[in-house]
Amino acid sequence: KAGVTQTPRYLIKTRGQQVTLSCSPISGHRSVSWYQQTPGQGLQFLFEYFSETQRNKGNFPGRFSGRQFSNSRSEMNVSTLELGDSALYLCASSRERTADTQYFGPGTRLTVL
Amino acid sequence: QKEVEQDPGPLSVPEGAIVSLNCTYSNSAFQYFMWYRQYSRKGPELLMYTYSSGNKEDGRFTAQVDKSSKYISLFIRDSQPSDSATYLCAFMNYGGSQGNLIFGKGTKLSVKP
Repeated sequence: KAGVTQTPRYLIKTRGQQVTLSCSPISGHRSVSWYQQTPGQGLQFLFEYFSETQRNKGNFPGRFSGRQFSNSRSEMNVSTLELGDSALYLCASSRERTADTQYFGPGTRLTVL
Repeated sequence: QKEVEQDPGPLSVPEGAIVSLNCTYSNSAFQYFMWYRQYSRKGPELLMYTYSSGNKEDGRFTAQVDKSSKYISLFIRDSQPSDSATYLCAFMNYGGSQGNLIFGKGTKLSVKP
């Protein structure tokens, strides 16, 4: 069974631009969560989607948004990029409930210059 | 008081040593307790998952939860160089739709041959 895949793996953007990251969950998984990982703050929860609906949201500004498609694939978007948005963005999928085991993808490394 | 505290290390041990990794937490509502391992440039990988106080063993790994002290531990027996990674404790408060993982900042472990 294929694992969680994320594209692209690396991305370089400049301040003010916007970026879209993609996540394909494990087949059969309907819940997709997004996390931001930085050396200073560690892993922080961004949001979770289930059946195309945002089910839970972390404490991030509105510049961070996401969506989920009918095939459970998910995208997250960051608008008006800031230097502090440089991070590893991780996607995790689970079957139904968030309490089910979450499997992480390899992440997208975003660098904002 | 921080919700989760984890010593960042780094922790360096010789091959074959017993490793003890710990986290403390303050939120009594946490119901699920996890340990993830993250290799460099990879996403976190679930090692252990428990939802009760006590010990859970899986091969060379033992997870210990003490809810009364709000303290969890991961023990690695007969440590190997391949165990060199960052270990993250994670917690979940699952109630209705409000489930998401709260992570410690990770302990970087190096096992020397």
